[in-house]
Amino acid sequence: DTAVSQTPKYLVTQMGNDKSIKCEQNLGHDTMYWYKQDSKKFLKIMFSYNNKELIINETVPNRFSPKSPDKAHLNLHINSLELGDSAVYFCASSRQGADGYEQYFGPGTRLTVT
Amino acid sequence: AQSVTQLGSHVSVSEGALVLLRCNYSSSVPPYLFWYVQYPNQGLQLLLKYTSAATLVKGINGFEAEFKKSETSFHLTKPSAHMSDAAEYFCAVRGYSSASKIIFGSGTRLSIRP
Repeated sequence: DTAVSQTPKYLVTQMGNDKSIKCEQNLGHDTMYWYKQDSKKFLKIMFSYNNKELIINETVPNRFSPKSPDKAHLNLHINSLELGDSAVYFCASSRQGADGYEQYFGPGTRLTVT
Repeated sequence: AQSVTQLGSHVSVSEGALVLLRCNYSSSVPPYLFWYVQYPNQGLQLLLKYTSAATLVKGINGFEAEFKKSETSFHLTKPSAHMSDAAEYFCAVRGYSSASKIIFGSGTRLSIRP
């Protein structure tokens, strides 16, 4: 059983297109996150949702819009894709107040914008 | 504000040698500290965590780390390196508040020489 899953694993698209990445966790966690990892492996948080409520919203272009239909799902929609959006996007989840907020990561979605 | 610094973007050791990956943190109060490992084309996996219990923390795959408040350090060690340890390692820090976010270091790539 995959704890945190993401789809798709690879995404190749052209500039200007709109795309979505989906994330699901079956750990019963109440908090989910989106991270962006650039080509130098630097990992930066983008968004966090707790019980479907947005609690962290970093300085991210408003072309990026997260959506949490329920506690187990967090999707990321990206409008008007740009070359600089090429990166690996990771979803993660944790339980508030437990285990030091230990986060469990998905396998990542490698987005390539051409 | 919290921050974490990983000394050395690349560490190379011989198989069977001691592994030492350095991490220093900055925080006004003792934080939660983590080490994550990322194998090629995979997500991050928790190796170990410090949550204010024992200062010497043992993790998976024979790794351990020691929290030293006086040195604001949380270095990762393994007595004997194995080829399978080759990966990217991330140190991370998080505050106690539910509104805190986890801050990752820039990562250290560990190479193992036969």
